[in-house]
Amino acid sequence: AQSVTQLGSHVSVSEGALVLLRCNYSSSVPPYLFWYVQYPNQGLQLLLKYTTGATLVKGINGFEAEFKKSETSFHLTKPSAHMSDAAEYFCAVSVGFGNEKLTFGTGTRLTIIP
Amino acid sequence: GAVVSQHPSRVICKSGTSVKIECRSLDFQATTMFWYRQFPKQSLMLMATSNEGSKATYEQGVEKDKFLINHASLTLSTLTVTSAHPEDSSFYICSASGGPMGYGYTFGSGTRLTVV
Repeated sequence: AQSVTQLGSHVSVSEGALVLLRCNYSSSVPPYLFWYVQYPNQGLQLLLKYTTGATLVKGINGFEAEFKKSETSFHLTKPSAHMSDAAEYFCAVSVGFGNEKLTFGTGTRLTIIP
Repeated sequence: GAVVSQHPSRVICKSGTSVKIECRSLDFQATTMFWYRQFPKQSLMLMATSNEGSKATYEQGVEKDKFLINHASLTLSTLTVTSAHPEDSSFYICSASGGPMGYGYTFGSGTRLTVV
């Protein structure tokens, strides 16, 4: 079985500062890893995903994440926070791409301080 | 890109009635669809997985007679909440995967169900 741990249910950063959202996973097989963003009363939007290949993954809106197998981590970063980044962020893991269920972390609420 | 449409976005129903939520993949054939439930300020809880033409596989603790899932075509899955009660009030979200481009886990915009 796979699982995801998101450290920090709430993260606050100043506008223009680095955003770092932490995600650690557990999986008995090579994982597929995802980061999603959710705005209030909306569905989930994919920010980026790791399937195979390059371990540094670039996504939308300036976000990126690095798959580190030795640390079982997939932390999400953005060099400079924008007010529009304020939202809930979910890390997720799956053992197969598309036909296997996604297991989500508990989410991190990102607040941007003006 | 992959687009999943979920309808309705909001619904209010009386206790004891049934509500149907639709999830459509607009530009790809969804061989697998997932239904999630999300409580306020919490993560997503998988309710069931459905493959086109097959019975849905429900997660442990989810009442399959209460939450009826149908995936009769490659572009449409429905979730029917039968005999709804206030405790069924929640945010329900679908996700679809499939198509020749290998689209994975495209989410609908969610349905806010309120049972009064």
